[in-house]
Amino acid sequence: EAQVTQNPRYLITVTGKKLTVTCSQNMNHEYMSWYRQDPGLGLRQIYYSMNVEVTDKGDVPEGYKVSRKEKRNFPLILESPSPNQTSLYFCASSHRQGGQPQHFGDGTRLSIL
Amino acid sequence: KNQVEQSPQSLIILEGKNCTLQCNYTVSPFSNLRWYKQDTGRGPVSLTIMTFSENTKSNGRYTATLDADTKQSSLHITASQLSDSASYICVPQARTDKLIFGTGTRLQVFP
Repeated sequence: EAQVTQNPRYLITVTGKKLTVTCSQNMNHEYMSWYRQDPGLGLRQIYYSMNVEVTDKGDVPEGYKVSRKEKRNFPLILESPSPNQTSLYFCASSHRQGGQPQHFGDGTRLSIL
Repeated sequence: KNQVEQSPQSLIILEGKNCTLQCNYTVSPFSNLRWYKQDTGRGPVSLTIMTFSENTKSNGRYTATLDADTKQSSLHITASQLSDSASYICVPQARTDKLIFGTGTRLQVFP
């Protein structure tokens, strides 16, 4: 089954404790992206990757890091999480950036205390 | 500035009824427009993608329309079912490939 898998689905942690949210896709997609979804706002892009070893900032990259060492994986790293990063996070993938539907994971709800 | 406005913010209908959701956008230069369905606790799922030259596209009981001149799109749901309860997100894409996500319309279908 074609899917984008995120882990963990839920996480409560404290300010400053480094965390990583993993994302894996099994569709051999080149393009992967991370978004955050907050109440009253549309999804906002954090980082994206056009292919292995190619990453770029989205609209709200501050406080986040990513890496793309393998095609299937695109982890999101919060080196020093802060309460304003409490949000619902989605990973998505597609064959290319434009013109194709993105496949989304089921989200990771992060609470930073 | 690229913007997307969806209306209504929320909508309640009875099972079996039809409804239409609206989307106005100011994305330029425009490439295509997508509609996504997001169930509670799940990621968005693509319903339709329309390029600027397409006026309408259907996916089962979902029919999207696009007027690129007036920068308006609509999503019509026919014979609603309980499983249609979800948020519906309008996402125009610029020719730079940037996606601009609307805040969604929250639809609730009651029996």
